[in-house]
Amino acid sequence: EIVLTQSPGTLSVSPGERVTLSCRASHIVGNNYLGWYHQTPGQAPRLLVFNGNNKDSGIPDRFRGGGSGTDFTLTISGLEPEDSGIYYCSQYALAPWTFGQGTKVEIK
Amino acid sequence: QITLKESGPTLVKPTQTLTLTCSFSGFSLSSPAEGVGWIRQPPAKAPEWLAFMYSDGNDYASPYLKNRITVAKDTSRNQVVLTLANMDPGDTATYYCAHGRGWLLDIWSQGTTVTVSS
Repeated sequence: EIVLTQSPGTLSVSPGERVTLSCRASHIVGNNYLGWYHQTPGQAPRLLVFNGNNKDSGIPDRFRGGGSGTDFTLTISGLEPEDSGIYYCSQYALAPWTFGQGTKVEIK
Repeated sequence: QITLKESGPTLVKPTQTLTLTCSFSGFSLSSPAEGVGWIRQPPAKAPEWLAFMYSDGNDYASPYLKNRITVAKDTSRNQVVLTLANMDPGDTATYYCAHGRGWLLDIWSQGTTVTVSS
């Protein structure tokens, strides 16, 4: 099983700032099959990035995924109030699919 | 446009079997590289993957639930059914189904909260 560890646990940032979220895998994620999701209270997770660095359809340009192998990042430039919530990384390279424990982003 | 919606009980008693149905539209499990996954999320915790049904007929289940979980598809009705036996209060969670674009879970249902309590 590939264990995903996200950091930091919580971020408190001001609108307009840039943040970088980290996701570290316990084993190499084959084909960079790593995605990032954003979840707000009461809602299902929404896919932002897949295959490490591909933005999903309709995702704003301020979201950028990067990394490969075991170390991946999600950078959000110019934070908007609607970007608050919890961000999860998830790998789908190897069963069982796994999720990180999440990074909570709070907008001041 | 792909949509999915799960249906089933919101309250089950311990030891009972949970049966959830995911009804979807906008894709077919008879088409290549399509799938349906099941995920649950306990309150205030990260999502947990449960199972995946792929269009090639193969299905995959969490090794932690393998003895309790089954998935089945009804291609003609565009449905995938999840059953989880011997429910326990620790199984209380919001249960989601999701479209598989290949192996990627890209579009999720709204989720249904299932509580296990006597």
